[in-house]
Amino acid sequence: EVVLTQSPGTLSLSPGERATLSCRASQSVRSTSFAWYQQKAGQPPRLLIYETSTRATGIPDRFSGSGSETDFTLTISRLEPEDFAVYYCQQYDSSPRTFGQGTKVEIK
Amino acid sequence: QVQLQESGPGLVKPSETLSLTCTVSGASISSRDDYWGWIRQTPGKGLEWIGSIDYSGTAFYNPSLKNRLTISIDPSKSQVSLKVHSVTAADTAMYYCSRQPNYGPPHDFWGHGTRVTVSS
Repeated sequence: EVVLTQSPGTLSLSPGERATLSCRASQSVRSTSFAWYQQKAGQPPRLLIYETSTRATGIPDRFSGSGSETDFTLTISRLEPEDFAVYYCQQYDSSPRTFGQGTKVEIK
Repeated sequence: QVQLQESGPGLVKPSETLSLTCTVSGASISSRDDYWGWIRQTPGKGLEWIGSIDYSGTAFYNPSLKNRLTISIDPSKSQVSLKVHSVTAADTAMYYCSRQPNYGPPHDFWGHGTRVTVSS
């Protein structure tokens, strides 16, 4: 199965700052089959980005995704207070679908 | 608005069968455009895709769990069911159901989840 490794484990930033989250795949993943989710405590994951760079319905444009093959990035251009959460990457190119272990974005 | 609601016992004894139901509203569970999936989350292993099923009953399972899984669909009740057989403490998790469209977003709607503990 495809193993996804996210870095860093924790990102400590202030509101207004830019966040850059990385996800590396153990083998090449088609860009049409890569996604990012946000999860807050007590809630299910929320789809942010799919097909590497397409924002899901209702997701603000400060969230953007990029990457290809084995290296993918989620960027939050200016952190809002509601953006502090855990973020997961996912590949759905090959079965089983797999997720990264998560990056926590915390308030500095 | 698509809504999914998981239900089932919160406590299951080791070696028994964990049975959960996902009730879908706001969407047709018989749509050929969608699969309906199960995902679980633990502090140790994180998010794990369990499997999914389509309107016809065609199911796909995570190979790591395949021998212990049964996923079924009941369009008349708008429900998807998950059974995990011969459970151990490692099956203790938050279990989510989600819509898994054939095209576009991978998991666009999720239930709130149901917590299951395996313990005697």
